[in-house]
Amino acid sequence: DVVMTQSPLSLPVTLGQPASISCRSSQSLVYSDGNTYLNWFQQRPGQSPRRLVYKVSKRDSGVPERFSGSGSGTDFTLKISRVEAEDVGIYYCMQATHWPPTFGGGTKVEIK
Amino acid sequence: QVQLQQWGAGLLKPSETLSLTCAVYGVSFSSYYWSWVRQSPGKGLECIGEINHTGGTNYNPSLRSRVTMSVDTSKSQISLRLSSVTAADTAVYYCTDSYYYNSGRWERAFDLWGQGTVVTVSS
Repeated sequence: DVVMTQSPLSLPVTLGQPASISCRSSQSLVYSDGNTYLNWFQQRPGQSPRRLVYKVSKRDSGVPERFSGSGSGTDFTLKISRVEAEDVGIYYCMQATHWPPTFGGGTKVEIK
Repeated sequence: QVQLQQWGAGLLKPSETLSLTCAVYGVSFSSYYWSWVRQSPGKGLECIGEINHTGGTNYNPSLRSRVTMSVDTSKSQISLRLSSVTAADTAVYYCTDSYYYNSGRWERAFDLWGQGTVVTVSS
C-alpha cells in the first residue's frame, strides 16, 4: 500500500496566522490519466470527514479561499492563509491514485 | 439535497458478522461508485472497498477474505458485510462515494459521506 506521511502531528496556531501541513507519499501519485488524485479532508470532533481539496489544488464548493493545496509527485501541502476559530480539527491527506486508497495519520490544528 | 444515510448493528460479539446499509439520496446513483471507509484509533482511516451500480467490486486486500459488498439499485442502497469480526474491527464505519462520472470519464471522489456508524466488537 502507498504510505502517506503527514507532518506535523500537532499544529498550534495563533488566530489570524498562517498554517501549513505537509503530506508525503511513498510513491508518485500521478495516475495514468494524467491526474494526481490527492485529497485533503477536515474532520471536526464528532463529524464525518469533509473534503476540502481534490486533485491536489482544486477547492471544493463552499470551502473558504483561505484553504489552498499545492504540490506534485510525492510532496503535497495544505495551507491556511489566516487561521480562524472554525478551522480547529484534524486534517488528513488521502491518495486515491493507487488501490487501495490510503490516508495520512492526520494533523491536529488547534488554537494557541 | 444530497444525503447518505447509513444504519446497522452497533454491538457485535467476536466471530459474528457485521452488517451495514447505506441509502443514497439526491444524486444519480449509477453515476457513482460507492465505498466503505472505517476509522479506528489504532489504524486511522482505512478504505474497505468499493462497488458500482452493476455490482462490480474492489476490496482492500487486507480485508478481502472477510468482506462482501452488495448493491440494490432499485433502492439506491449499498451494503457491507464483514465476517468473523474481532476487537480489531471496532471502528466508526462510513459510506462514501469513491468515483463519479464527470464529462465522459470516471474520476476519484470521496466527496459525499454518511454520518458514520459506531461498531463495537466485544464479548
